[in-house]
Amino acid sequence: DARVTQTPRDKVTEMGQEVTMRCQPILGHNTVFWYRQTMMQGLELLAYFRNRAPLDDSGMPKDRFSAEMPDATLATLKIQPSEPRDSAVYFCASGLGNWGGSNEQFFGPGTRLTVL
Amino acid sequence: DQQVKQNSPSLSVQEGRISILNCDYTNSMFDYFLWYKKYPAEGPTFLISISSIKDKNEDGRFTVFLNKSAKHLSLHIVPSQPGDSAVYFCAASEHNQGGKLIFGQGTELSVKP
Repeated sequence: DARVTQTPRDKVTEMGQEVTMRCQPILGHNTVFWYRQTMMQGLELLAYFRNRAPLDDSGMPKDRFSAEMPDATLATLKIQPSEPRDSAVYFCASGLGNWGGSNEQFFGPGTRLTVL
Repeated sequence: DQQVKQNSPSLSVQEGRISILNCDYTNSMFDYFLWYKKYPAEGPTFLISISSIKDKNEDGRFTVFLNKSAKHLSLHIVPSQPGDSAVYFCAASEHNQGGKLIFGQGTELSVKP
């Protein structure tokens, strides 16, 4: 049963602390996306990778957020230092990254982050 | 600048009736449109898609209509069932953008028995 996994599922931390969220994409998928769900913006694209190379991270606050893919089975999103406004649900998704046609993405269950 | 907009945050429908969820977009370069469904505490799951060369795609109780001239698409659910209660996201992609999707804000559908 191929699915995207994310850890942790829930994270409560204090302002100023470092937060690391992890994602394991579906085996064989070459594109990985990080989203943040907010009430106002819906699903905001933060960053995405193709074949482990970053394609676009323009949606991410650069001063505190960083995204990496150490290998094909792991993507990480790090916030340092975290702030209360970062509280949201963060989703990872993977797909085949077709350059044309349907671009279905498969989402993980999300990490609910609360920064106090 | 929101390229994909879902202007109705919520919709309530009686079981058995039709649910119509709407989505507008501004980028004329979008060539594929998708709808995702999201239950609480879960990630969004793919529901149905449509290419810009079509104006309708049907899959069981779900039909997506695309009006390119109006830059508008809609999702019809007939008949609506209580299990359809969820948040529905509209998304769009542009050719040669590496699979990138732009999502709307979502519409929460409530189907009442």
